[in-house]
Amino acid sequence: GNSVTQMEGPVTLSEEAFLTINCTYTATGYPSLFWYVQYPGEGLQLLLKATKADDKGSNKGFEATYRKETTSFHLEKGSVQVSDSAVYFCALFSNTGNQFYFGTGTSLTVIP
Amino acid sequence: DAGVIQSPRHEVTEMGQEVTLRCKPISGHNSLFWYRQTMMRGLELLIYFNNNVPIDDSGMPEDRFSAKMPNASFSTLKIQPSEPRDSAVYFCASSFPPSGYNEQFFGPGTRLTVL
Repeated sequence: GNSVTQMEGPVTLSEEAFLTINCTYTATGYPSLFWYVQYPGEGLQLLLKATKADDKGSNKGFEATYRKETTSFHLEKGSVQVSDSAVYFCALFSNTGNQFYFGTGTSLTVIP
Repeated sequence: DAGVIQSPRHEVTEMGQEVTLRCKPISGHNSLFWYRQTMMRGLELLIYFNNNVPIDDSGMPEDRFSAKMPNASFSTLKIQPSEPRDSAVYFCASSFPPSGYNEQFFGPGTRLTVL
């Protein structure tokens, strides 16, 4: 079946620290992978995506590389800001099931 | 582009009352999803529609929950009767027809409190 596992939170970092949020997946076929971000009081919004193996998605200083060999799509940012405080969701879209599968979310708090 | 529109944004009701949540997907999107988000259970897919037809409602918690999509521009999620454990944020999302990959566009959510 299809599923997404992401690291448990909450994560608290100081401003300008390096961020990694781990995400691994199980999928049939060739899924597309996504990171969504949810700011306080808002809905989820797409942060970045990758549609095939070795693709790197990037946006707002965040990056994630689609690694088929390790079935991973870890989110990274070199220097976080207070404004990055949010909940981050890893997700996959499976062509075989035509469905999205979301991880449980990882809460990030960045302190000045 | 107005994005996905949900109403109401906040709803407070008493146990036993009927609650109706509304969603207008992005024009041209043929897939619509209803999610529920709670601290305990995270983000749960309740039901999704393709071309107004319910495809998978296995996430609907029980018969008190029902969802309809009478046309391409409107969907409702109804809870009757409501219970305190239904308190959550309910999100609606829409996407293009399945073709390769899909990005889901989320609405701002409806925060439901059942007293």
